[in-house]
Amino acid sequence: AQSVAQPEDQVNVAEGNPLTVKCTYSVSGNPYLFWYVQYPNRGLQFLLKYITGDNLVKGSYGFEAEFNKSQTSFHLKKPSALVSDSALYFCAVRDRDNYGQNFVFGPGTRLSVLP
Amino acid sequence: GAVVSQHPSRVICKSGTSVKIECRSLDFQATTMFWYRQFPKQSLMLMATSNEGSKATYEQGVEKDKFLINHASLTLSTLTVTSAHPEDSSFYICSARDSSAGKNYGYTFGSGTRLTVV
Repeated sequence: AQSVAQPEDQVNVAEGNPLTVKCTYSVSGNPYLFWYVQYPNRGLQFLLKYITGDNLVKGSYGFEAEFNKSQTSFHLKKPSALVSDSALYFCAVRDRDNYGQNFVFGPGTRLSVLP
Repeated sequence: GAVVSQHPSRVICKSGTSVKIECRSLDFQATTMFWYRQFPKQSLMLMATSNEGSKATYEQGVEKDKFLINHASLTLSTLTVTSAHPEDSSFYICSARDSSAGKNYGYTFGSGTRLTVV
């Protein structure tokens, strides 16, 4: 069974500082990994994904994430946070060996960027 | 890029009435759509998988007679909450998979529907 953990409910960071939102996963096969962002009362917006290849994935709005197979992690990072980055962030996984399977989402991490 | 339109964005209904939520893929065909429910400060929970032209597949614990799903065309799936009760109040989000995309990607989420049952 697949599962995703986001160990921090809340992350606070000052504007201009680097940010990290942590994610670890568990899948029976090989993973596809995703990050989504959700603003209040809105749906999910895709940020980035890891499918194969380079472990460092660059996505929208300056975000990036590094796939670490040995640690089964896929932490989201940004070198310099903006107040507008404040939102709810979800890590998600799909088992690449189970075509058509839906996502399993983590519990979400609320990011607050303080001016 | 792929766009999924979800309507309405907000709805308030009286207890006992039914509410229909639409999920449309605007510029692609979606043989499969997914319906999620999100409680406050919680993650998304998959309710059901909607397949065009066939019955939806419901997750364990989701009442299929209460949450009716119809996927009559390649661009439209509807979720009807029947005989709504206050405990059905939640944020409902759909996603659609582009039939022409590979298995690596092609999932797009709607903007969500905030249902409040009074």
